[in-house]
Amino acid sequence: RKEVEQDPGPFNVPEGATVAFNCTYSNSASQSFFWYRQDCRKEPKLLMSVYSSGNEDGRFTAQLNRASQYISLLIRDSKLSDSATYLCVVSRRHDKLIFGTGTRLQVFP
Amino acid sequence: NAGVTQTPKFQVLKTGQSMTLQCAQDMNHEYMSWYRQDPGMGLRLIHYSVGAGITDQGEVPNGYNVSRSTTEDFPLRLLSAAPSQTSVYFCASSSSGGAPNYGYTFGSGTRLTVV
Repeated sequence: RKEVEQDPGPFNVPEGATVAFNCTYSNSASQSFFWYRQDCRKEPKLLMSVYSSGNEDGRFTAQLNRASQYISLLIRDSKLSDSATYLCVVSRRHDKLIFGTGTRLQVFP
Repeated sequence: NAGVTQTPKFQVLKTGQSMTLQCAQDMNHEYMSWYRQDPGMGLRLIHYSVGAGITDQGEVPNGYNVSRSTTEDFPLRLLSAAPSQTSVYFCASSSSGGAPNYGYTFGSGTRLTVV
């Protein structure tokens, strides 16, 4: 079993839709949680850190449920430019990140 | 501010050849890492460093060496290239920033093909 599991998708949604991605992690000792975005043939870029109380950045909302070992990302009012692969990332220590395989999002006009 | 710079961007090697992938950062970050990304596997940690003179193995270290003689540079050496090392390699760096949720900055990657 992979330490971080994500639905690979693809999620195909129209512009303006709300879409949610889920991620589960197996190690209860995980301390830090992130969502990264990766465009095709590009490097991953930090989208947002995920805090226990949940956090929001514009159209993006991240939630963490430590009891269920579950992380989510909600994107509201999807834009064409949101099309990318979204990587769920956890770490027990700052020097080691564990990546999920990613969820691909395609937003169509 | 260049961030994390990786060279080369593309490389083709013959089986058995050796080479060094270069990584440099200008953000004075303590943490540096090398990952490889393969289809369906996600990014996997090869080696990492928490500061100059300190390195350690990640999940998939076999066939690779690293050194960290300066804060800025963290080269990855392929000792004897094998087709299984065909992959996209990313270097990343981070500061602890005083908080565990400080993210990593990635270089643009090196696409390596071993034939």
